[in-house]
Amino acid sequence: QVQLVESGGGVVQPGRSLRLSCAASGFTFSSYAMHWVRQAPGKGLEWVAVISFDETNDYYADSVQGRFTISRDNSENTLFLHMNSLRAEDTAVYYCARPSATGTSGYYSGLDVWGQGTTVTVSS
Amino acid sequence: DIQMTQSPSSLSASVGDSVTITCRASETISSYLNWYQQKPGKAPKLLIQNGFSLQGGVPSRFSGSGFGTHFTLTITSLQPEDFATYYCQQTYSTPRTFGQGTNLEIK
Repeated sequence: QVQLVESGGGVVQPGRSLRLSCAASGFTFSSYAMHWVRQAPGKGLEWVAVISFDETNDYYADSVQGRFTISRDNSENTLFLHMNSLRAEDTAVYYCARPSATGTSGYYSGLDVWGQGTTVTVSS
Repeated sequence: DIQMTQSPSSLSASVGDSVTITCRASETISSYLNWYQQKPGKAPKLLIQNGFSLQGGVPSRFSGSGFGTHFTLTITSLQPEDFATYYCQQTYSTPRTFGQGTNLEIK
């Protein structure tokens, strides 16, 4: 079945780095743009980043621009989020999510497949 | 960045009631508006995309409408499983901003 499984979360000190992974299965990963969305404890959803299906384009929320990098390995069906210079306000559950449409149409469609989330806690 | 504002932030209703949640964009987003439902400890679930297109498997008591800057999500004949938090999201431009959420509680 279609599935996304995140991993790599944990407790990290401010200023340090962490890499999240999202393993995809059950669909043609290389045909879809992919997103990261986060949710701080008790707060709403915050869109973080998107990468195109062919890795040619990526876009970020202002809050993470210059610190986070989204990447993917289509040969391994895996999405990544490289997080540098972590701050307390980056503490959240991080979800990877797939749009409902393939290709460039996926930039404009809703996110119909979500992982279970991985928790990142930034604390000294 | 496009700001998405939902109202109300919280809402109390009873089983069988109908409710409407509003989402306003700070600038036009055409029909690039999606609605999600989230229950505690769970990932969001896509209900409606492109303003009005119901996702497969979503009950017909959910409906969406709107264009430009004003959108609504209506739930008729509320069922116990509908009590959750609802978010709108625009996918017209980057960043793909979400509304702050509407918590629908049982009265």
